[in-house]
Amino acid sequence: QVQLVQSGAEVKKPGASVKVSCRASGYSFTSYFMHWVRQAPGQGLEWMGIINPSDGSTSYAQKFQGRVTMTRDTSTNTVYMELSSLRSEDTAVYYCTRGYGSGSYYKSWGQGTLVTVSS
Amino acid sequence: EIVLTQSPGTLSLSPGERATLSCRASQSVSSSYLAWYQQKPGQAPRLLIYDASSRATGIPDRFSGSGSGTDFTLTISRLEPEDFAVYYCQQYGTSPCTFGQGTKLEIK
Repeated sequence: QVQLVQSGAEVKKPGASVKVSCRASGYSFTSYFMHWVRQAPGQGLEWMGIINPSDGSTSYAQKFQGRVTMTRDTSTNTVYMELSSLRSEDTAVYYCTRGYGSGSYYKSWGQGTLVTVSS
Repeated sequence: EIVLTQSPGTLSLSPGERATLSCRASQSVSSSYLAWYQQKPGQAPRLLIYDASSRATGIPDRFSGSGSGTDFTLTISRLEPEDFAVYYCQQYGTSPCTFGQGTKLEIK
């Protein structure tokens, strides 16, 4: 069965960076795109970007351009999302989710990683 | 980007009743690429419906989706206690994919 296991909660100071990991299992890692979606406390869902694990190509939402970097490690079936220049508004739960293409619905989700930005 | 507006913001109903949730897009959703999710506190979203009307694997048939163009509907025919949650629509036909702000379905 498809499993996406994310790294644990993080607390960061404003201006710092955070790197969240998502380890995939139960399917061919390079056959599906991985997307990142975040959810601020009590708020809705926001798409951040996508990585193609096959070749490492990425596409980011305009809002996060210049601050987000998505990478992958095919030896461990893991994708990473790094967000820099953190501010309080970045406090959110970050989810990795497997997609069927660059535009996709999401059947499989990680458990979420809470990132708290606070001085 | 396509803006999705869900209504109502909160829906108060009793178990056994029928729920009708709306999702309206600011422009036509390509190929009816619209999905619905259920989210409970502390959990990741759960896919209910994709391609506007196709039920995801394991989703009870009391959940149904309909619509095309700019107007979409999620219907829950007879509410069960476990159905009270927040529901989101998502369009994935035009990049970037976008989500509605959610409808909270609460017990009356």
